[in-house]
Amino acid sequence: QKEVEQNSGPLSVPEGAIASLNCTYSDRGSQSFFWYRQYSGKSPELIMFIYSNGDKEDGRFTAQLNKASQYVSLLIRDSQPSDSATYLCAVNFYGSNYQLIWGAGTKLIIKP
Amino acid sequence: GAGVSQSPSNKVTEKGKDVELRCDPISGHTALYWYRQSLGQGLEFLIYFQGNSAPDKSGLPSDRFSAERTGGSVSTLTIQRTQQEDSAVYLCASSSSGQASSYNSPLHFGNGTRLTVT
Repeated sequence: QKEVEQNSGPLSVPEGAIASLNCTYSDRGSQSFFWYRQYSGKSPELIMFIYSNGDKEDGRFTAQLNKASQYVSLLIRDSQPSDSATYLCAVNFYGSNYQLIWGAGTKLIIKP
Repeated sequence: GAGVSQSPSNKVTEKGKDVELRCDPISGHTALYWYRQSLGQGLEFLIYFQGNSAPDKSGLPSDRFSAERTGGSVSTLTIQRTQQEDSAVYLCASSSSGQASSYNSPLHFGNGTRLTVT
């Protein structure tokens, strides 16, 4: 059973602090990892992707991948109230170039 | 340009009725996915269309569910004899190539259809 696990939250972070979101996955063969943001009542949108071990930075967002430990995380620096949303982790299904396995998402609340 | 369009945005139906959900993908996108999102659950894969290839229907939960994609564009998801457990948000997504493992072909989602079966 291929699985992606996330803490459902809510994770409450003060404005300006660093929000840290984590995701673990079971398929050791997975190669591509994505973070989607979903505002309440809206559709998911891609915000970060990572393929290689280590860190990848894009503005206030940093994705971290550790394939040996099978986890991927998302850091949001200088958190803003507009970052309040549910963050979905998605991992490609080894052997399929079109299927992604999705976590249930972590709800993030940034408190002003 | 227009994004992925889904209709209706909300649908309330009685148990046992049939429903039809529509998805209009981004023009030129060859790949189209249907997902189901229940409260507190991850996105559940239902079906995948890619160009003229046979669809991957492996995620359809029962034979009450079916989907079509006409002319490589608009898709309809049909649920027959709806049950209360079918209540969920049904999301459609399209991508330019269907290579979901590639950042060059991210999924673009519609706003979904919220289905409530009473």
